[in-house]
Amino acid sequence: GQQVMQIPQYQHVQEGEDFTTYCNSSTTLSNIQWYKQRPGGHPVFLIQLVKSGEVKKQKRLTFQFGEAKKNSSLHITATQTTDVGTYFCAVFSSGSARQLTFGSGTQLTVLP
Amino acid sequence: DGGITQSPKYLFRKEGQNVTLSCEQNLNHDAMYWYRQDPGQGLRLIYYSQIVNDFQKGDIAEGYSVSREKKESFPLTVTSAQKNPTAFYLCASSQGAWGYTFGSGTRLTVV
Repeated sequence: GQQVMQIPQYQHVQEGEDFTTYCNSSTTLSNIQWYKQRPGGHPVFLIQLVKSGEVKKQKRLTFQFGEAKKNSSLHITATQTTDVGTYFCAVFSSGSARQLTFGSGTQLTVLP
Repeated sequence: DGGITQSPKYLFRKEGQNVTLSCEQNLNHDAMYWYRQDPGQGLRLIYYSQIVNDFQKGDIAEGYSVSREKKESFPLTVTSAQKNPTAFYLCASSQGAWGYTFGSGTRLTVV
């Protein structure tokens, strides 16, 4: 199936600092999704990117899809303690069956 | 409210036992999925079903079985053949090529 590499694995930031996580693929992606999982919780769908070079914003979160559709990023401006959790990117497997393959996630810790 | 209900929240299994995890959705979604998550790791696909009475193996199906007799239900059985079953199990559903909706998960521990 489709593979995505996600970096970094862990990130500790001081509250108010910015945070970015990246997903990279060796092949062109049809689209990419982002999820957030709070500690002890379940993944929650944040957004889907489809178009080359697409940029979408949700309050302090900015999502980008690369021009070549091989990479994506999630940027959080001025982190808050409520941003704590693990952020996953996910892509659909190639072929007729459409199931998601998840990246390994970036675990964000925000220090007050 | 529509959503996915997983039960139980916590489950303890003795070695050699089969256990079944429940997953029910009232979202009228066609597709349902089971993922396994180990501490500090990502999600790995166990089984998925695109339609009633049909399901497919995912990346780590060995030691697991499923059924899809009703659209709203997709139970997962962890059999005694699964040698390392302790994990967090997540059920999800989707419609079309949109985002997945996840249940709150079942934490399975072998005692």
